[in-house]
Amino acid sequence: DQQVKQNSPSLSVQEGRISILNCDYTNSMFDYFLWYKKYPAEGPTFLISISSIKDKNEDGRFTVFLNKSAKHLSLHIVPSQPGDSAVYFCAASEQTSGSRLTFGEGTQLTVNP
Amino acid sequence: EPEVTQTPSHQVTQMGQEVILRCVPISNHLYFYWYRQILGQKVEFLVSFYNNEISEKSEIFDDQFSVERPDGSNFTLKIRSTKLEDSAMYFCASARYREFVYGYTFGSGTRLTVV
Repeated sequence: DQQVKQNSPSLSVQEGRISILNCDYTNSMFDYFLWYKKYPAEGPTFLISISSIKDKNEDGRFTVFLNKSAKHLSLHIVPSQPGDSAVYFCAASEQTSGSRLTFGEGTQLTVNP
Repeated sequence: EPEVTQTPSHQVTQMGQEVILRCVPISNHLYFYWYRQILGQKVEFLVSFYNNEISEKSEIFDDQFSVERPDGSNFTLKIRSTKLEDSAMYFCASARYREFVYGYTFGSGTRLTVV
């Protein structure tokens, strides 16, 4: 199942700099996109979402950008903090037809002090 | 902050045995889900549950799996006859609304090991 893909398994960033996590999807029926963060031994924690009718959504240090024509979304974290070190999952849904989320593989973000 | 609680955190079972994974969703939530993550693989949808019935299920969720909300607070996933390939982290999740603007809340998971 390659409908949602995160091509970078890992990303390392200096504290205070911007982290950019990328996600691509193939299913043009996806109309809602979410980012989750996961620490070891915990479940995924919801971060931010975006509807396909928007191209940007911002919440504090987190901004998600959606490029529908490229079927690409990205999560920007500014400024990055060591506590942001976690696995970040992109997920997508055909909200109008169901409730399941389709996840990407995840990207391990490490923010170095 | 309200939490989704899953028990046990770890379960080891013999192949062919039945297991029940338990979840207590957030009290005012109406939509309930099970997902799983096999080691090294993606998080995969299993089933969604609303109004005391399954609203959607994946290809993985075959006749060996069942879900139940027996008492209005617990939400259980039963695997009737476990196979080695059922070894995974199982996550329960719940949501107040069907829309994803608030995402949904996951529990910490149950690690199931089938030997």
